[in-house]
Amino acid sequence: DGGITQSPKYLFRKEGQNVTLSCEQNLNHDAMYWYRQDPGQGLRLIYYSQIVNDFQKGDIAEGYSVSREKKESFPLTVTSAQKNPTAFYLCASSIQQNQPQHFGDGTRLSIL
Amino acid sequence: GEDVEQSLFLSVREGDSSVINCTYTDSSSTYLYWYKQEPGAGLQLLTYIFSNMDMKQDQRLTVLLNKKDKHLSLRIADTQTGDSAIYFCAEVFGNEKLTFGTGTRLTIIP
Repeated sequence: DGGITQSPKYLFRKEGQNVTLSCEQNLNHDAMYWYRQDPGQGLRLIYYSQIVNDFQKGDIAEGYSVSREKKESFPLTVTSAQKNPTAFYLCASSIQQNQPQHFGDGTRLSIL
Repeated sequence: GEDVEQSLFLSVREGDSSVINCTYTDSSSTYLYWYKQEPGAGLQLLTYIFSNMDMKQDQRLTVLLNKKDKHLSLRIADTQTGDSAIYFCAEVFGNEKLTFGTGTRLTIIP
């Protein structure tokens, strides 16, 4: 079955560490997205990519980095510069950027 | 810029109808979507409506669109406990990416 897979489901980070969240899709979608969701809050866009080898900053890109070396994969690195990384992170993909987005099940990141 | 606005909370008795409202930003929006997010999960696309339609019905779900007021609503008939979730509306216009609303948390009262 086609879908979008995020791993791990839960992730813990020590102070000063970088961590990378995985997002893989086999839907043959060109566009991919990363969102952050805080408790009781809506979605905030971190980064998005319309096509392989290209990506743009969203509304809250500071302290995060991404790569898009393959169509299927859009990993998100939460760097030590992100001072408040505890949140629920959602990855999504769409055929093109103006088409409906399909979401993964999320990764919950916590600070140790 | 403007936000896509939704009420944060809605409580409804089991068996009643739920109406979730959304005010979007651009009268030129081409598609409007409703997503459902269950606890600890991602968003699922529930339904959508083209901007040239006023209403769309899909089983227990009815979407109403008022383009003049830029108002979108989702009605859930015979609300069940499994409908407890956060509901997001989203708009898209032209080649832009989707803009999501702030989300409405629907709580079902037994």
